[in-house]
Amino acid sequence: DQQVKQNSPSLSVQEGRISILNCDYTNSMFDYFLWYKKYPAEGPTFLISISSIKDKNEDGRFTVFLNKSAKHLSLHIVPSQPGDSAVYFCAAYNAGNMLTFGGGTRLMVKP
Amino acid sequence: GAVVSQHPSWVICKSGTSVKIECRSLDFQATTMFWYRQFPKQSLMLMATSNEGSKATYEQGVEKDKFLINHASLTLSTLTVTSAHPEDSSFYICSAPSDRGQRGYTFGSGTRLTVV
Repeated sequence: DQQVKQNSPSLSVQEGRISILNCDYTNSMFDYFLWYKKYPAEGPTFLISISSIKDKNEDGRFTVFLNKSAKHLSLHIVPSQPGDSAVYFCAAYNAGNMLTFGGGTRLMVKP
Repeated sequence: GAVVSQHPSWVICKSGTSVKIECRSLDFQATTMFWYRQFPKQSLMLMATSNEGSKATYEQGVEKDKFLINHASLTLSTLTVTSAHPEDSSFYICSAPSDRGQRGYTFGSGTRLTVV
């Protein structure tokens, strides 16, 4: 049973526009969420996180929104840049301190 | 910040041979490390949890005799792919919990294994 789902395997956006990556989860015990960015042949790198007590966290061009009632989070990138092209994974922590990853969304930002 | 070093970054081996992948936490101690495998369709699959000084915990469907994990110190975990076959060709990534706050897990740079 996939507890963290990223239903869009890929997303294509024009440079300068907004990229919105979505993530849904089923486990109500998750209390901390993270987004990771991954380039080919590299390990994932941390991008931004949000605690379940918040509904928004912003860091430069990146904003993560959390809707606990809908068990949904999203990552907004604005403006999108070609260098943002990568695979993005959302991940969630539960009380056991284990990270559960979604399947990833490949973002392509076209110049 | 926390750094996890993974070696080698890529390796090609013949079928039937064994390959060892190392994962080191460079500036922090990691009592737990995680080993992932990335499949062609991009998902990260947790293979096992490596525990310092004790046996690794394997996820369902992962052969513990094929993927040997050793976590002999607080800074080193190794994954050995034994009797490798072409279907073991994949991208393997290790990670360690660094900080529950901003960073979450710190990942190694990954190892591309090709079995010919």
